[in-house]
Amino acid sequence: DIVMTQSPDSLAVSLGERATINCKSSQSVLSSSNNKNYLAWLQQKPGQPPKVLIYWASTRGSGVPDRFSGSGSGTDFTLTISSLQAEDVAVYYCQQYYNTPRRTFGQGTKVEIK
Amino acid sequence: EVQLLESGGGLVQPGGSLRLSCAASGFTFNIYAMSWVRQAPGKGLEWVSGISGNGFRTYYADSVKGRFTISRDNSKNTLYLQMNSLRADDTAVYYCTYDYWGQGTLVTVSS
Repeated sequence: DIVMTQSPDSLAVSLGERATINCKSSQSVLSSSNNKNYLAWLQQKPGQPPKVLIYWASTRGSGVPDRFSGSGSGTDFTLTISSLQAEDVAVYYCQQYYNTPRRTFGQGTKVEIK
Repeated sequence: EVQLLESGGGLVQPGGSLRLSCAASGFTFNIYAMSWVRQAPGKGLEWVSGISGNGFRTYYADSVKGRFTISRDNSKNTLYLQMNSLRADDTAVYYCTYDYWGQGTLVTVSS
């Protein structure tokens, strides 16, 4: 299985400041057939199921605010929240779907307000 | 609108069995590979099992291999997870998912 590793495990950011989460996969999730990275970012708030924020590494899901952005390719990816809002407090996961249906996850990064 | 509705969770004793179901609607179910993902209390997301769109290929995490069986009935747009020989560390919310997520169903294994 593809192993996903996130850093940091948690971070505290002041309101309005930038938050950056990194994700590394044990093998490339870039498909040579379509040049797409099979990497998603999920947001999970307490008591709720995960919600897809970003797919194809950098495409925002429907209704996702543009302060959320994804970047990277191959094995290294980043989720950036450009200006942290109170409602962004959550745990964020990266997920690879290159090996669908064996979709594996990072361990999660907890984002809190400083 | 895509909907995934899990059911079948509950309290079961160690060594017991449960069958989870996931009723899907709002998309062409039979062309999508589906997965079960679980989340133990206070823990992260763990992929458990997956199945191809036609049901011919199945996949399992090492932690459940030999105990869990995934299946689907494309005529009923339903995904299943048969869980046998349940252990305390199987306690979790179980989600049905592909690109969308259900609300999950809680499985508690305890005497």
